[in-house]
Amino acid sequence: GAVVSQHPSRVICKSGTSVKIECRSLDFQATTMFWYRQFPKQSLMLMATSNEGSKATYEQGVEKDKFLINHASLTLSTLTVTSAHPEDSSFYICSASRTGLNQPQHFGDGTRLSIL
Amino acid sequence: AQKITQTQPGMFVQEKEAVTLDCTYDTSDPSYGLFWYKQPSSGEMIFLIYQGSYDQQNATEGRYSLNFQKARKSANLVISASQLGDSAMYFCAIEKDSNYQLIWGAGTKLIIKP
Repeated sequence: GAVVSQHPSRVICKSGTSVKIECRSLDFQATTMFWYRQFPKQSLMLMATSNEGSKATYEQGVEKDKFLINHASLTLSTLTVTSAHPEDSSFYICSASRTGLNQPQHFGDGTRLSIL
Repeated sequence: AQKITQTQPGMFVQEKEAVTLDCTYDTSDPSYGLFWYKQPSSGEMIFLIYQGSYDQQNATEGRYSLNFQKARKSANLVISASQLGDSAMYFCAIEKDSNYQLIWGAGTKLIIKP
């Protein structure tokens, strides 16, 4: 099955630090990747759609200058939380799917971000 | 616009029993895909099963099967012979044709009792 790797799995850092999270599709090419945020006991909240070679599409209410997304290759998308503050603490998870409709999204293991 | 409804916030089931997790959806698209994912307490999202709207048969994957009733717009997940390791959050999702995004339900927390 398709494998998506997300790194790091856990980050604890001071307020004001920028944090970069990587999402890699290991055995397939992904022109589109998705970044989600999940609060405790809630469903996934789509933050943005990452498109290879072009700008990400952000959902309403998500600050694109705060959450920088780069999708420089068909196997790598990165999310950078810039100048993170305690309210940015959350579980961030990425997904990727093979091109085409009705292909399941495969998820990374997620990143637990804690800003002190 | 698509919408997914999971009406069971939590369920307790005895080990080895079968369990049905409800999922109803709303969409105006003639063609769509429905997905079920499992999220253990460790956080990773695990793809379980997929049902296409034009599939003639209900999807099955091992102990997982989908009770797909198109006219009722329901896609319930059935887990047979439940195991302790099945304890997790379960999410139902529908795919948006326009951009491959998934619309998620609120999830059902399933706890299997020994």
